[in-house]
Amino acid sequence: NAGVTQTPKFQVLKTGQSMTLQCAQDMNHNSMYWYRQDPGMGLRLIYYSASEGTTDKGEVPNGYNVSRLNKREFSLRLESAAPSQTSVYFCASSPVAGINTEAFFGQGTRLTVV
Amino acid sequence: QQQVKQSPQSLIVQKGGISIINCAYENTAFDYFPWYQQFPGKGPALLIAIRPDVSEKKEGRFTISFNKSAKQFSLHIMDSQPGDSATYFCAAGSNYQLIWGAGTKLIIKP
Repeated sequence: NAGVTQTPKFQVLKTGQSMTLQCAQDMNHNSMYWYRQDPGMGLRLIYYSASEGTTDKGEVPNGYNVSRLNKREFSLRLESAAPSQTSVYFCASSPVAGINTEAFFGQGTRLTVV
Repeated sequence: QQQVKQSPQSLIVQKGGISIINCAYENTAFDYFPWYQQFPGKGPALLIAIRPDVSEKKEGRFTISFNKSAKQFSLHIMDSQPGDSATYFCAAGSNYQLIWGAGTKLIIKP
């Protein structure tokens, strides 16, 4: 029972490079989320997808784009990486729309931009 | 109005003791208050959550106390065990927006 799977687990990018973080869930959840976690700041919502076919901005969307490829998959793209995007990125999913229900998290992607 | 302030930043408790972590929020529209537990190298996992229509919720050794008028809520861990050593996050929100506290690193000394 995999739950929420993120790839890659670690990545080092040079400033200006692009990359896509992949996320897939096998729990048939409707909603999916991307967060970033920085030391001393808790988690901040980047983008979310309430249901297949919809995406919306969260608290810190600048510099990111997302794609809800299908019900299972939700990807996060950095078009031109900046050192300020060095962080740990978490994907999460929840069974019904809305964050006021349990969210299940992946193990995270540690991204370093040099 | 979107901040959630969590304290303390770190906490050391003896095995068998009570661990207490506090959070304060500003937005009175928030209607969901979860606590998440995170172990190193893992994603957060929901521990317990409360809604503003109750003042306390207990699940095993974990209790949330909620004070709506003061806009504060806290996590109490009774009979703390070394396996409880982790980082704990409070959060508050509604609809799709969940605002997280900065986290408390809890260490339980055997």
